[in-house]
Amino acid sequence: GIQVEQSPPDLILQEGANSTLRCNFSDSVNNLQWFHQNPWGQLINLFYIPSGTKQNGRLSATTVATERYSLLYISSSQTTDSGVYFCAAYNDMRFGAGTRLTVKP
Amino acid sequence: NAGVMQNPRHLVRRRGQEARLRCSPMKGHSHVYWYRQLPEEGLKFMVYLQKENIIDESGMPKERFSAEFPKEGPSILRIQQVVRGDSAAYFCASQGTGFFSGETQYFGPGTRLLVL
Repeated sequence: GIQVEQSPPDLILQEGANSTLRCNFSDSVNNLQWFHQNPWGQLINLFYIPSGTKQNGRLSATTVATERYSLLYISSSQTTDSGVYFCAAYNDMRFGAGTRLTVKP
Repeated sequence: NAGVMQNPRHLVRRRGQEARLRCSPMKGHSHVYWYRQLPEEGLKFMVYLQKENIIDESGMPKERFSAEFPKEGPSILRIQQVVRGDSAAYFCASQGTGFFSGETQYFGPGTRLLVL
């Protein structure tokens, strides 16, 4: 099946900093989603983005399907951004291992 | 996301007991997915169901685990004779028009199962 790799595995930021999270996938994907799992364990959909670029407030995502990667940008990070960010390739429901983000005040 | 309900939110069982996890999809959604998240790990797909049908159970352990999504009522994930290794968070997600539609999945808050 498709392999989904996320980097970095861990990221520590100071509040206000920007960051880029990466998701590589081993084959072409029909669907790709980014999720945020907050420190309480709740999963929140961020973006459904099989290709192109989308923005939602301080978050944006870009997927370059031909090069098999997706990027999640977080600008002006806040402590509430802390948690684990997963990307998921929906060809066969594969999730990456996640990037654990800690934003310090 | 709001709309997908799971209960109980926390469940404690002793080894050998049965665990029943319930998932009520968003209104109008007829596709349900179950995922398991072991401690400190990512999400792993278990099973995909449509009303009264199991579409894909390739991620489900062959023994002790079963799932259903009846015509009426919530989807149920059932774990018989639980063992300590079953301790995990179990998430369900719902979708309106099916896996290949590309529509986003909406996740419930999860059920945290602890096996003593």
